[in-house]
Amino acid sequence: QVQLQESGPGLVKPSQTLSLTCTVSGASINSDAYYWTWIRQHPGKGLEWIGYTYYSGGTYYNPSLKSRVTISIDTSKNQFSLKLISVTAADTAVYYCASGTVATFDFWGQGTLVTVSS
Amino acid sequence: QAVLTQPSSLSVSPGASASLTCTLRSGINVDTYRIYWYQQKPGSPPQYLLRYKSDSDKQRASGVPSRFSGSKDASANAGILFISGLQSEDESDYYCMIWHNSAWVFGGGTKLTVL
Repeated sequence: QVQLQESGPGLVKPSQTLSLTCTVSGASINSDAYYWTWIRQHPGKGLEWIGYTYYSGGTYYNPSLKSRVTISIDTSKNQFSLKLISVTAADTAVYYCASGTVATFDFWGQGTLVTVSS
Repeated sequence: QAVLTQPSSLSVSPGASASLTCTLRSGINVDTYRIYWYQQKPGSPPQYLLRYKSDSDKQRASGVPSRFSGSKDASANAGILFISGLQSEDESDYYCMIWHNSAWVFGGGTKLTVL
């Protein structure tokens, strides 16, 4: 059973960079069985797919966020991370890391609320 | 107009059945898409339920009861999540998802109340 845990600052100032890490247990981040994904949920609202990476380090991003997003893998720590630059209040959301196939997000972290505010 | 439109809420009695719709925007043909469904209970992350494209291309996630099934209504250009024998534990938000224009796109979700 894959387990995921998000970590990172809960408060980020406008125009700064949001950085989150997802620690993976129960599976190797090098496994070709999984895609490693970030999804966010604005307060009281629906889900937005941010992007994913996989064992080779390849990435795929939501075109609406592509210019601001980087997802990367740290194999030494069995972690993957999210960086979102130039944040605004519209980036306030619960951020989830997830894993599964390219289409099914089978395992999820509990989510972490990131608030963008000065 | 949103790519995927879901009714914001639905109330159904225990033991009854519910059909949750996911309508694709005009010009996007439901026949060509696999539609994925997720369930989210309050305070928890979403859980993958199933996907449906056709009766020959469908999958229910491991552990998901057979009470949950998918279908399509081509005349309405919509995907449908059907839940039979509703139980109180089914009270959740339900989201549909498709791959469209190089991104996974979610519907706005339907809050299902069982009362």
